[in-house]
Amino acid sequence: QSVVTQPPSESGTPGQRVTISCSGSSSNIGSNTVNWYQQLPGTAPKLLIYSNNQRPSGVPDRFSGSKSGTSASLAISGLQSEDEADYFCAVWDDSLNGVVFGGGTKLTVL
Amino acid sequence: EVQLVESGGGLVQPGGSLRLSCAASGFTFSRYWMSWVRQAPGKGLEWVASIKQDGSEKYYLDSVRGRFTISRDNAKNSLYLQMNSLRVEDTAVYYCATVGTVVAAFDIWGQGTMVTVSS
Repeated sequence: QSVVTQPPSESGTPGQRVTISCSGSSSNIGSNTVNWYQQLPGTAPKLLIYSNNQRPSGVPDRFSGSKSGTSASLAISGLQSEDEADYFCAVWDDSLNGVVFGGGTKLTVL
Repeated sequence: EVQLVESGGGLVQPGGSLRLSCAASGFTFSRYWMSWVRQAPGKGLEWVASIKQDGSEKYYLDSVRGRFTISRDNAKNSLYLQMNSLRVEDTAVYYCATVGTVVAAFDIWGQGTMVTVSS
């Protein structure tokens, strides 16, 4: 059971906007920035969002991140079939003195 | 080309040891914090350890502290993970990754190396 919680699955249809939540506490999300990763089947994770809402070079602006209090969200607009993947949030935890990942959300494009 | 290549994985019995290596190329290795992240079969990601650019600071997941040691050799552009007293629950793909502009932002990943702990 991770200290940072994500829904195990989400789904959407092509073109739709979907959001994935990441819920934590004051020792992690409440006091540190959140990062998001996309993992396509059989591949290594890829950094999608860092510092709550910053996109690395090459990441489409369809992907956006936000944070409020002890929760964060990843939004994907204009959903495409190639967005079908696992998504993970990650954040430093001051109490554990280490990085914690959310359990991951499997996104299905219907 | 920016690249991280892990090696050293394999099958080991419970209680055994293994040393993972990660060779970096295409960027200035010595400028980056480095980390190991693992993923058990069919499971999520789990951070294992991180090391500062000069090796002076190291952080570990509680369940591996005292059993695993992260180290680096900047002259060889290499990162290591010495794993002792291995347990069945350590079975996973182990990835090395660079730490980017903020902690927990791993921006370059290797392809991973599989470690299987089984009798």
